Amino acid sequence: GDSVTQMEGPVTLSEEAFLTINCTYTATGYPSLFWYVQYPGEGLQLLLKATKADDKGSNKGFEATYRKETTSFHLEKGSVQVSDSAVYFCALSDHPMGNYQLIWGAGTKLIIKP
Amino acid sequence: DTEVTQTPKHLVMGMTNKKSLKCEQHMGHRAMYWYKQKAKKPPELMFVYSYEKLSINESVPSRFSPECPNSSLLNLHLHALQPEDSALYLCASSQPTEGRGRYGYTFGSGTRLTVV
Repeated sequence: GDSVTQMEGPVTLSEEAFLTINCTYTATGYPSLFWYVQYPGEGLQLLLKATKADDKGSNKGFEATYRKETTSFHLEKGSVQVSDSAVYFCALSDHPMGNYQLIWGAGTKLIIKP
Repeated sequence: DTEVTQTPKHLVMGMTNKKSLKCEQHMGHRAMYWYKQKAKKPPELMFVYSYEKLSINESVPSRFSPECPNSSLLNLHLHALQPEDSALYLCASSQPTEGRGRYGYTFGSGTRLTVV
C-alpha cells in the first residue's frame, strides 16, 4: 500500500540556518503531495502542495519539489526563524476521484534556537 | 470564509458523560472529516461524510457517533468514553470530487479532549 517516510526528529537548528526535512513516498498511482505544519497547541495547516512531477510548492519561504524519479518531496527553507518551530507532516493523496484520504508521514519536530 | 471552526477548544468529561463536538465550515466543501490525533503522532482518520452521507467509518467504536445535519455542520457525539480516548479531535473539510486532492484539506484547530 501507499506510504510516506519522513526523517526522524527532532531536528534542532539555530536561527537563520538552512532547513531540509526529507520525505519519500511509495504510491501505486500518481499522488498529490502535501506538507502540513502543526504549531504547538494548534491544529494542522496546509503549508504547501504539488500535484504533478516537477511541480514546486512554496509558501512562507518554504519550498518542496515533487520528484517522481526519486519519489521524494523534501521540505526546504533558506533561513529558519524561531517561529518556524513546529511539527511538520508530509502526506500524500492517491485517489483518482471521489473522496480521498491522506496518507501521513510520522511527523518531524523542528526546534529553532535563537 | 476559509476557516473550519471547532467548538469547544477544550473539553474535560467523565466516563459516564455525554458530550458533543461541533465543526462548521462555510467554504462550500461537500466532504467533511473527523480525525483523532494523539500526542506526537499523525492524525488518524475516523469518519468521512460526503454530501452529508457517511461514506467511511474506520472501525471506530460505537461510543463515537458522528452526525452531519447539513452541508456546513459536522458533529461528533461522545458517550461512555475511556481515558485512552483522550486526544486532539480534528475536523477537516474538502471538495470531494476534485480528482487527486489538489487543494488539500482545511483543518480546524481541534478540540482537546480529556476523559477522566
